[in-house]
Amino acid sequence: NAGVTQTPKFRVLKTGQSMTLLCAQDMNHEYMYWYRQDPGMGLRLIHYSVGEGTTAKGEVPDGYNVSRLKKQNFLLGLESAAPSQTSVYFCASSAGTQYFGPGTRLLVL
Amino acid sequence: GDSVTQMEGPVTLSEEAFLTINCTYTATGYPSLFWYVQYPGEGLQLLLKATKADDKGSNKGFEATYRKETTSFHLEKGSVQVSDSAVYFCALSLRSNDYKLSFGAGTTVTVRA
Repeated sequence: NAGVTQTPKFRVLKTGQSMTLLCAQDMNHEYMYWYRQDPGMGLRLIHYSVGEGTTAKGEVPDGYNVSRLKKQNFLLGLESAAPSQTSVYFCASSAGTQYFGPGTRLLVL
Repeated sequence: GDSVTQMEGPVTLSEEAFLTINCTYTATGYPSLFWYVQYPGEGLQLLLKATKADDKGSNKGFEATYRKETTSFHLEKGSVQVSDSAVYFCALSLRSNDYKLSFGAGTTVTVRA
C-alpha cells in the first residue's frame, strides 16, 4: 500500500515548455487535489476532482489544466511554463481525510 | 466563509518542554478538524484528527480536543524532542465543500537540545 505517489520528484523546465505531473493513489479514494506551496507559505489549491471524469477549479487555477481519466490517477498539466510556476506541487487524495504525496519540485527558468 | 486561525510563531523550545499551538476556526456546519505536520523538505503528514465535538485526537504524544463551544482545536505535547521540529498546520474540512481543506498559516516549531 503505497498511498499517494507523485512523479517526477524534481524537474527543471525552460519558460514556455510543457509538462505533466502525475499523481497516483491506491486507496480507492474518490476525491483528489493538486496544491502548490511557495517558500514560507501554506498550500494553495489549484484544481481538484470529486470522482473519475470530473475536475473543478481551486483557488489558483490559471496556467494549469488537469484530467482524471482513471479513478486512481490525477494529472496536472502546464501547457506553457512560466517562472511564476516555480514551486513545490503536492497531490492529495481523500475519502474524508486528505492524505498527501511527497511532492514534486519544479523549477522554471 | 470557513477559516482557520492559528498561532503563527515561530516557536522555539528546549527539549522536554511543553508545547501548545492554538487553533480556532469559523465554519458553517460541523467540520472535521486536523493537524498536519511538515518536516523539512517533505510533504504534509496527517498528525491527528477529530470529526465531532469532544473527540480527542492523539498520535506520537500529541493531543488535540475538538471544542465546539470555543471553536478550538489546540495542539499539545507534554515533552517535545528535537525530532518534533517542523511546521504544524491546523485545518478543517466539510463534506459539503468536497472535503477541501481550509488551512491555518502554519506554525514553525524549533526544538533545541
